[in-house]
Amino acid sequence: DTAVSQTPKYLVTQMGNDKSIKCEQNLGHDTMYWYKQDSKKFLKIMFSYNNKELIINETVPNRFSPKSPDKAHLNLHINSLELGDSAVYFCASSLPGLALQETQYFGPGTRLLVL
Amino acid sequence: QQQVKQSPQSLIVQKGGIPIINCAYENTAFDYFPWYQQFPGKGPALLIAIRPDVSEKKEGRFTISFNKSAKQFSLHIMDSQPGDSATYFCAASRRSSSNTGKLIFGQGTTLQVKP
Repeated sequence: DTAVSQTPKYLVTQMGNDKSIKCEQNLGHDTMYWYKQDSKKFLKIMFSYNNKELIINETVPNRFSPKSPDKAHLNLHINSLELGDSAVYFCASSLPGLALQETQYFGPGTRLLVL
Repeated sequence: QQQVKQSPQSLIVQKGGIPIINCAYENTAFDYFPWYQQFPGKGPALLIAIRPDVSEKKEGRFTISFNKSAKQFSLHIMDSQPGDSATYFCAASRRSSSNTGKLIFGQGTTLQVKP
């Protein structure tokens, strides 16, 4: 069974469009994340939710809006897509315990190409 | 500001060789240092992690060496195999009351192990 799943796997769209990426985890984790991996493979955190509450909001354009309907789902909506948004977007989840630093499990990624 | 610097960017070794990937960090508050492995088309997956109270951690063929005073840590892969060919990311995070689990990633090292 897939632990962290994302849909769609590929997304090709025109500049100016609005699109959403969905993420679901069946690990029972409390915390979920969105990362962006650029063409040079650099990974940068965008957002994190803990039990549906936003806890990390990095310097990301407000065209990006995460939404967590429940702690197993974290979706990413992107308005007015720009060429520079082309990247691979990864969802991840973890179960922070007393150590506050637990393994993050990544999904397979969504490859977004903006034309 | 790049808080975690990783080198080299790419590395080619022969099967059986011992590739070494180095990372340096700036923030002395970091207290958790994982390494993630990413195969093409897949999400990153935790390989091994270390906390600064130990200088070395070994799991199978993978070893992390940690030098707290120099603010450096490295990954060694013993008896490397073609199946180890992947991109490797070091990362760092710090314990905080907000329980964020925020990982700061290095730039990644693409490793190729030749048969």
